[in-house]
Amino acid sequence: QKEVEQNSGPLSVPEGAIASLNCTYSDRGSQSFFWYRQYSGKSPELIMSIYSNGDKEDGRFTAQLNKASQYVSLLIRDSQPSDSATYLCAVNSWGGGGADGLTFGKGTHLIIQP
Amino acid sequence: GAVVSQHPSRVICKSGTSVKIECRSLDFQATTMFWYRQFPKQSLMLMATSNEGSKATYEQGVEKDKFLINHASLTLSTLTVTSAHPEDSSFYICSASLGLAGTDTQYFGPGTRLTVL
Repeated sequence: QKEVEQNSGPLSVPEGAIASLNCTYSDRGSQSFFWYRQYSGKSPELIMSIYSNGDKEDGRFTAQLNKASQYVSLLIRDSQPSDSATYLCAVNSWGGGGADGLTFGKGTHLIIQP
Repeated sequence: GAVVSQHPSRVICKSGTSVKIECRSLDFQATTMFWYRQFPKQSLMLMATSNEGSKATYEQGVEKDKFLINHASLTLSTLTVTSAHPEDSSFYICSASLGLAGTDTQYFGPGTRLTVL
């Protein structure tokens, strides 16, 4: 059974600092990795996708993937109060024959303190 | 960007009634749509995968006769919760995928909050 693990938090970070969110996954066949942000009562919003080992940067966000360690992380630089939300790690074992549903972690609740 | 809509956003119904939720991809054709359910303080759980013109594939433990899925076109999928009961109260979220080779990004609708009395 595919599992995605995240520390539920809350993770409290001062405004302007770097927030580091971590995720591990159990299925070695996983090929696609996503970070979503979810505000309370709302649906998930895509932040980053990453498919290859290494870092991928997009603005203040950097996703890091290490397939050997089955580990994905998200760094948020210059954290803002508006970044306060639950961050969901999601994994997909793209089989090539069609899209598969995502397996989500339970999410990390991030609080940016002004 | 890819936009997915859902209707209704919120529904309250009596136990035993059926509720239909619509999911539409507004600016792209979605080969595949997915239905998720999220209980309070829990993560999203995949219920079923819906491909246009074919039967939906349900995850283990999800009753296909209770959660009817129809994917009649490349822009519309519907989820009908039949004979809803209070334990079906949840946040139902659909997503759509472009289905392009090498990318499987899913775009989520705003969700439908179902409350069964």
